[in-house]
Amino acid sequence: EIIVTQSPATLSVSPGERATLSCRASQSVRTKIAWYQQRPGQAPRLLIYAASTRATGIPARFSGSGSGTEFTLTISSLQSEDFAVYYCQQYNTWPPLTFGGGTKVEIK
Amino acid sequence: EVQMLESGGGLVQPGGSLRLSCVVSGFTFDDFAMNWVRQSPGKGLEWVSTISGSGGARYYADSMKGRVTISRDNSQNRLFLQVNPVRADDTGVYFCAKNGAPDPADPFFDHWGLGTLVTVSS
Repeated sequence: EIIVTQSPATLSVSPGERATLSCRASQSVRTKIAWYQQRPGQAPRLLIYAASTRATGIPARFSGSGSGTEFTLTISSLQSEDFAVYYCQQYNTWPPLTFGGGTKVEIK
Repeated sequence: EVQMLESGGGLVQPGGSLRLSCVVSGFTFDDFAMNWVRQSPGKGLEWVSTISGSGGARYYADSMKGRVTISRDNSQNRLFLQVNPVRADDTGVYFCAKNGAPDPADPFFDHWGLGTLVTVSS
């Protein structure tokens, strides 16, 4: 099973600032990483797939990068609606499909 | 517009059974693999199961293997998950989720239902 680890667990950021979230896989997943945003009480929403491809309707301030075992989600200028929990998921080697534990982005 | 709605959650006694359903619209159902993902209270996301568009391939998380069955009715655009017997640690919100591209495709999820809450308690 591929273990996916996200850091930090909580990120405190001021509106308008940049946020950088990390995701690490226990072995190479090539670029088979997706990122999701989950606001309180809502279902997850796909942001990024294939490590760097934005999903339909996702603003350009969200970007993904990385390959192999190290991945990054960057939010260039945080808006109020971006304060949420973010999860990465690997889909290179499955079953099982595995998610990271999440990073909560909170207002500083 | 893609719409997905789960049902069947509620209070279930340990050792009992549950059957969740997800009805979908807005896309050609049998072209896409479908998935169940759950979230324990205050916790992260956990993949439960995947079924191919035709229903011919099914995959399960080890934590639920032997207790869970995923199925689909392509004539009614419905996805199902049966769990028997349920345990206390099955408590959580269960989401149905659609694959991001038609079969065969990588299993990331581009649409999710709102989820249905399952509480396992005596």
